[in-house]
Amino acid sequence: GAVVSQHPSWVICKSGTSVKIECRSLDFQATTMFWYRQFPKQSLMLMATSNEGSKATYEQGVEKDKFLINHASLTLSTLTVTSAHPEDSSFYICSAHRVPSSYEQYFGPGTRLTVT
Amino acid sequence: AQTVTQSQPEMSVQEAETVTLSCTYDTSESDYYLFWYKQPPSRQMILVIRQEAYKQQNATENRFSVNFQKAAKSFSLKISDSQLGDAAMYFCAYRGSNYKLTFGKGTLLTVNP
Repeated sequence: GAVVSQHPSWVICKSGTSVKIECRSLDFQATTMFWYRQFPKQSLMLMATSNEGSKATYEQGVEKDKFLINHASLTLSTLTVTSAHPEDSSFYICSAHRVPSSYEQYFGPGTRLTVT
Repeated sequence: AQTVTQSQPEMSVQEAETVTLSCTYDTSESDYYLFWYKQPPSRQMILVIRQEAYKQQNATENRFSVNFQKAAKSFSLKISDSQLGDAAMYFCAYRGSNYKLTFGKGTLLTVNP
């Protein structure tokens, strides 16, 4: 149990376009999902916290207008990178916090975004 | 703000030997969790072991164990009988009352046959 999926696993888009990444909890309900960004050979950096039915909370320095997060249901959160640029190329990872609250976050397999 | 420090960017160990990865953290909270995650080349984050701060007993999961020193704010990971499959990036992480995870910069572990 406690499986989190991400789609797509790899996406290439042209500069100026938008791309949507989905994060789904497959066998549990997640009141909270988290979005991370990871550059090559670096650590995970928390971008935002996504709560079902409410606005996402963004970490300092993360552009909320560029990285749109929607948590429409207890099993789905989406991250939309708007007007993507090459510097947005990165590995994006989501994690989900199971209901009821537990200590563990369950991680998705990640999405590699390449902006050309 | 909480910080997590991993002072060893890279470590190597011979197969079947034991290796210890270091982690220190800084927090003003008294109740928190600490984790070690493994990230293999697939980049899937895998939970290795967790420690609740209120527990004095060090956590153990098969070949993986921790040395949790709360007063020193130290949380090291010991891998015994290292296997080739243990080769990966290892991240130490802190979770406080806000449920957010703060990660260290990671230690790349190489296992030599």
